[in-house]
Amino acid sequence: NAGVTQTPKFQVLKTGQSMTLQCAQDMNHNSMYWYRQDPGMGLRLIYYSASEGTTDKGEVPNGYNVSRLNKREFSLRLESAAPSQTSVYFCASRSENTGELFFGEGSRLTVL
Amino acid sequence: ELKVEQNPLFLSMQEGKNYTIYCNYSTTSDRLYWYRQDPGKSLESLFVLLSNGAVKQEGRLMASLDTKARLSTLHITAAVHDLSATYFCAVDITQGAQKLVFGQGTRLTINP
Repeated sequence: NAGVTQTPKFQVLKTGQSMTLQCAQDMNHNSMYWYRQDPGMGLRLIYYSASEGTTDKGEVPNGYNVSRLNKREFSLRLESAAPSQTSVYFCASRSENTGELFFGEGSRLTVL
Repeated sequence: ELKVEQNPLFLSMQEGKNYTIYCNYSTTSDRLYWYRQDPGKSLESLFVLLSNGAVKQEGRLMASLDTKARLSTLHITAAVHDLSATYFCAVDITQGAQKLVFGQGTRLTINP
C-alpha cells in the first residue's frame, strides 16, 4: 500500500523559476491538502481540495496554485519561486471515517 | 480564527520519568489528533480523539480530550529514548470545509 506519494523529494530552484510538486493517493479519499512546514511554525495549510474539481485557499496561499487533476492527484505549482518559499512541503489525504490525515514523505524545496 | 497552542515547545527529560504535553485551542471543536514526526521524516498519526472525554493509549503514550476546557493532553509514562521526536496536535475546524489546524509542535528529547 503506497498511501500518499509525493515527487520530487528534493528540489533546488533559482528565484523566479517555476515548478510543480506532484501528489497522488491510493486510499480513495475525497479530501487532499498541501501544507508547508517551517522551523518553529508547525504546519500551515496552503490549499486544500474537498473533492475532485474543487479547491480552496488555506492560511498561506499567496505564490501558489493547485490543480485537482482527478480523485487521486493534487498538484502544487510555484509560478515564480521566491526564497521565502524555501520549506518542506507535505501533501496529505484525509480519511472520511476518522478525519485523520495521511501524509506523504515530504518535498524539501530550496529557493536560492 | 482558530489558534492551537502547545506547551512546552521544547522538552528534555530523562528516561524513566513521566511528563505531559498540553494542547490548547481557541474555538469549539470535538475532534483532535496527535501526530509524531521524527527528524527529516513525515508525520505519523498517533491518536484520533473524536469526542469529549475520549482517552486513547498506546504503549507509554496516553492522550485525552476535554472539549469543554478546549484542552488535550499527551502523557508520557516512564519515557524511553525511542520516544524522542516532535509531537503535534491538530484540531478539526468543524464549521464549513474540513480543515485541520496544527499546533507548533513539541520537540521531545529523552536522555539516557
